[in-house]
Amino acid sequence: EPEVTQTPSHQVTQMGQEVILRCVPISNHLYFYWYRQILGQKVEFLVSFYNNEISEKSEIFDDQFSVERPDGSNFTLKIRSTKLEDSAMYFCASSDLYETPYNEQFFGPGTRLTVL
Amino acid sequence: KQEVTQIPAALSVPEGENLVLNCSFTDSAIYNLQWFRQDPGKGLTSLLLIQSSQREQTSGRLNASLDKSSGRSTLYIAASQPGDSATYLCAVHFSGGYNKLIFGAGTRLAVHP
Repeated sequence: EPEVTQTPSHQVTQMGQEVILRCVPISNHLYFYWYRQILGQKVEFLVSFYNNEISEKSEIFDDQFSVERPDGSNFTLKIRSTKLEDSAMYFCASSDLYETPYNEQFFGPGTRLTVL
Repeated sequence: KQEVTQIPAALSVPEGENLVLNCSFTDSAIYNLQWFRQDPGKGLTSLLLIQSSQREQTSGRLNASLDKSSGRSTLYIAASQPGDSATYLCAVHFSGGYNKLIFGAGTRLAVHP
């Protein structure tokens, strides 16, 4: 069964460093998302991406964050200068190819980011 | 503000019980609602999606219902098993939010033998 994959599973970084989290969405999906979950808190939406551009972003997704689809399979989230409060589990998701985006979102296993 | 609330926060039941998890949302204008399962430290597994035009969806021992007018959804788990122990998350795609999900805090379920 197709699935969303994410690498690495765990990333440890120093405050102020740049990190890139990588995702491979399900192959025929056209909508891509990033969410995060701070330990013990709700899953929060960060950004959605369609047709090579951001379609919606939350107030969390400030200038320190960026997303990219560098090739036909990968979808990345970059944090330019990490802060302690960026420590969280980051989930990538994708949904299918119909024109309406109101379809089921499938989530990857997550990348646990620890900022020291 | 669009919010999703789940009650109870935690539930412990003996194996074999039928149980109901509740989800409420603040705005009845929704596109769909998804129920997810999350095991500790793991990703989110989609269990069921209900479109706004539907009243319920079933998958195996799981049945999810939707009452948009009252802003409620329930997840019914029949004949619970220890393997059902996990956190169950409700997430809503509200109208007007292009394609983002708003999550509840989840119900942490423990099924003991």
